[in-house]
Amino acid sequence: GNSVTQMEGPVTLSEEAFLTINCTYTATGYPSLFWYVQYPGEGLQLLLKATKADDKGSNKGFEATYRKETTSFHLEKGSVQVSDSAVYFCALSDQTGGFKTIFGAGTRLFVKA
Amino acid sequence: SAVISQKPSRDICQRGTSLTIQCQVDSQVTMMFWYRQQPGQSLTLIATANQGSEATYESGFVIDKFPISRPNLTFSTLTVSNMSPEDSSIYLCSVDRGTAADTQYFGPGTRLTVL
Repeated sequence: GNSVTQMEGPVTLSEEAFLTINCTYTATGYPSLFWYVQYPGEGLQLLLKATKADDKGSNKGFEATYRKETTSFHLEKGSVQVSDSAVYFCALSDQTGGFKTIFGAGTRLFVKA
Repeated sequence: SAVISQKPSRDICQRGTSLTIQCQVDSQVTMMFWYRQQPGQSLTLIATANQGSEATYESGFVIDKFPISRPNLTFSTLTVSNMSPEDSSIYLCSVDRGTAADTQYFGPGTRLTVL
């Protein structure tokens, strides 16, 4: 079945550091891939998405590229801010899964000033 | 996008009681989903609720414990029945647009604590 594996947290960085959160997936079809973010005390919101191989999703300085050959969708940001402190969830959705969204375990990011 | 509200935002309940959580969407949607997020964990899908039919439950979740209503295309409720401390979680409602690239839009969640 479909699954998503992402790096364990917490990840602690200083402000302006480079961020990478690894995400790999297993899917029988051709999934769409997502990163969702959950700020403290809030629900999830979509950060970015990519719908096919080699697509790059980007938003708020975050980027992730859909790599079919490595089944990966790593999240990157060149310079993090304290306000980026949150939990980040990698997710996939595809037709063979009935378009149900499968979430990774989440990675908590702490950014220190 | 979709604007989703949930009520209540949080509650503290006694063991053995039930709580009904409401989810309201600002536009008509076909599919609504209910998730549970236990402390420090990821989201687990409880059930999918389509208007005019019974909800479809995921493995490990049953209708007697989590009855769901979907009376129209903008509203759904989830009831957590006969609660125990293990039911303490955040319960999230979400919707999608039913397109090929299914982005899900989430409500703010209901934080439930069972004593």
